[in-house]
Amino acid sequence: GNSVTQMEGPVTLSEEAFLTINCTYTATGYPSLFWYVQYPGEGLQLLLKATKADDKGSNKGFEATYRKETTSFHLEKGSVQVSDSAVYFCALTQGDNDMRFGAGTRLTVKP
Amino acid sequence: NAGVMQNPRHLVRRRGQEARLRCSPMKGHSHVYWYRQLPEEGLKFMVYLQKENIIDESGMPKERFSAEFPKEGPSILRIQQVVRGDSAAYFCASSHGTGWTDTQYFGPGTRLTVL
Repeated sequence: GNSVTQMEGPVTLSEEAFLTINCTYTATGYPSLFWYVQYPGEGLQLLLKATKADDKGSNKGFEATYRKETTSFHLEKGSVQVSDSAVYFCALTQGDNDMRFGAGTRLTVKP
Repeated sequence: NAGVMQNPRHLVRRRGQEARLRCSPMKGHSHVYWYRQLPEEGLKFMVYLQKENIIDESGMPKERFSAEFPKEGPSILRIQQVVRGDSAAYFCASSHGTGWTDTQYFGPGTRLTVL
């Protein structure tokens, strides 16, 4: 079945460092791919999404490109801030199949 | 426009009691999804409902769990005879359109603790 694998955390960075959180997926056909962010004590917020191969989702300085050839949707940000500290979830959905989430990657950004 | 509302935010129950979790979707949304998040894990899908209909309950445990989304009022996730393993955060999401590809908006969650 469809599944998502994302890099294990926690990830600790200094402010203004470059961020990459890896996400790879297993699916038949062309799923839609998402990144969600969860701040402490809150629900998930949609960060960005891409619905077809080579699409790039972007929001708040974060980017992710849908790579069909490598079945990946890695999240990147050029310069992280303390306020980016949160848990990040990669997810996919396809057709009538339910949304599948990765286990989450906890990011801590230190000043 | 208020977002997805869930209540209570925190719920404590003793083993054997019932837990009722409520979710009010965003205005104009008629699709509701329930997820469970165990500590340090991702979200696991439980059930997908439209008004008065269960669309997909493939993620619901076969016993003790039930969900409804009546014509009027919030969606309810009901857990009967709770056990310690039910302790988790339960998130509700809603969407406007049909199917899984429409963007889901999440509520703040209900954190259930079973003593």
